[in-house]
Amino acid sequence: QVQLQESGPGLVKPSETLSLTCTVSNDSVRNFYWSWIRQPAGKGLEWIGHIYPSGSTNYNPSLKSRVTMSVDTSKNQFSLNLTSVTAADTAVYYCARDMSRGWYRELDYWGQGTLVTVSS
Amino acid sequence: DIQMTQSPSSLSASVGDRVTITCRASQTIRSYLNWYQQKPGKAPNLLIFAASFLRSGVPSRFSGSGSGTGFTLTISSLQPEDFATYYCQQSYSTPYTFGQGTKVEIK
Repeated sequence: QVQLQESGPGLVKPSETLSLTCTVSNDSVRNFYWSWIRQPAGKGLEWIGHIYPSGSTNYNPSLKSRVTMSVDTSKNQFSLNLTSVTAADTAVYYCARDMSRGWYRELDYWGQGTLVTVSS
Repeated sequence: DIQMTQSPSSLSASVGDRVTITCRASQTIRSYLNWYQQKPGKAPNLLIFAASFLRSGVPSRFSGSGSGTGFTLTISSLQPEDFATYYCQQSYSTPYTFGQGTKVEIK
């Protein structure tokens, strides 16, 4: 069974950079796209973007100017950096496998999520 | 961005009831539509992909239908473990977008 685990600071100061890593087990990051999604408390899901091991990325335009994703194939991990954070970036952050079946795509395995709070 | 609108936002139902949740896209997304179930404090769990395909291991009481701009998720006989929030998501184009969610509560 594919497993994903997010890690990173749970508290980030305003204007600083949020950095999270997702470690993948029982699969290789070389094989798929990998997504980040976030969910503010009591609210819906927002897709942040995804990355392919080649380095190809797609970011949500609403966050594009502040987001960078990367993949480390040697560690079987992928990462998210979100700069200049504000309280509006407080959310549970999920990583997920972005599965492709021909043209169809779905988020079939998710990490448990990690709460990131932006506060001084 | 493609906007996804679910209805209703919440519903109350009893065990054994047939439940239908609707998802509408702001433009055609063909069959690029997925459904997820989320329980409190947990990550979303994929139920249906490509509008109508049941993910392996998901009970057959769940089904999906539709194409173009209109889609439905049906639970044929609601079970206690099905009380959760359900989200649709389009993968026709990036950015992927989700519906606002439908919370299924116990009547």
